[in-house]
Amino acid sequence: KAGVTQTPRYLIKTRGQQVTLSCSPISGHRSVSWYQQTPGQGLQFLFEYFSETQRNKGNFPGRFSGRQFSNSRSEMNVSTLELGDSALYLCASSFYRNTEAFFGQGTRLTVV
Amino acid sequence: QQQVKQSPQSLIVQKGGISIINCAYENTAFDYFPWYQQFPGKGPALLIAIRPDVSEKKEGRFTISFNKSAKQFSLHIMDSQPGDSATYFCAASIGDDKIIFGKGTRLHILP
Repeated sequence: KAGVTQTPRYLIKTRGQQVTLSCSPISGHRSVSWYQQTPGQGLQFLFEYFSETQRNKGNFPGRFSGRQFSNSRSEMNVSTLELGDSALYLCASSFYRNTEAFFGQGTRLTVV
Repeated sequence: QQQVKQSPQSLIVQKGGISIINCAYENTAFDYFPWYQQFPGKGPALLIAIRPDVSEKKEGRFTISFNKSAKQFSLHIMDSQPGDSATYFCAASIGDDKIIFGKGTRLHILP
């Protein structure tokens, strides 16, 4: 069974640009959550989608947004990138909400 | 109140020794306490999890001890091996709500 797939693995963007990251969950999983991981702040929750609806949102500015498609694939978008957005962005999928979460390898975003 | 405080930040243990990582929480409504293991370049992977109606759970060399009254839980790695060198995260959640992670412990096992 294929794991959680995140694309791209690495990304370099310039301040002010926008970026879209993609996450394909494990087949059959309906819940997708996004996290930002930085050395100083650890893993911080961005948002969770279940059945194409955002169910939970963390304390991030509106520049961070996401969506989920009918096949459970999810995308997150960051607009007007700032240097502080440089981080590893992780996606986790689970069969149902609050069941075991499986993480992808992440997308390493560098903003210059 | 939504925080999970994890200590130590880093830990060095001799091969064969016991590694102990501690976490504390404030919110007594938390009802699920997982531990995740992360190797460099990989996403976190669920290691072991416990619910508050159980005081201890063991899976192989990994044991979670849970003290509900003290609002603390800990991970013990027995007979620590170099392959256990990784970053460990404790976490907590309530029902369907988001998982809150500790800041992580970087564990290094000396060969």
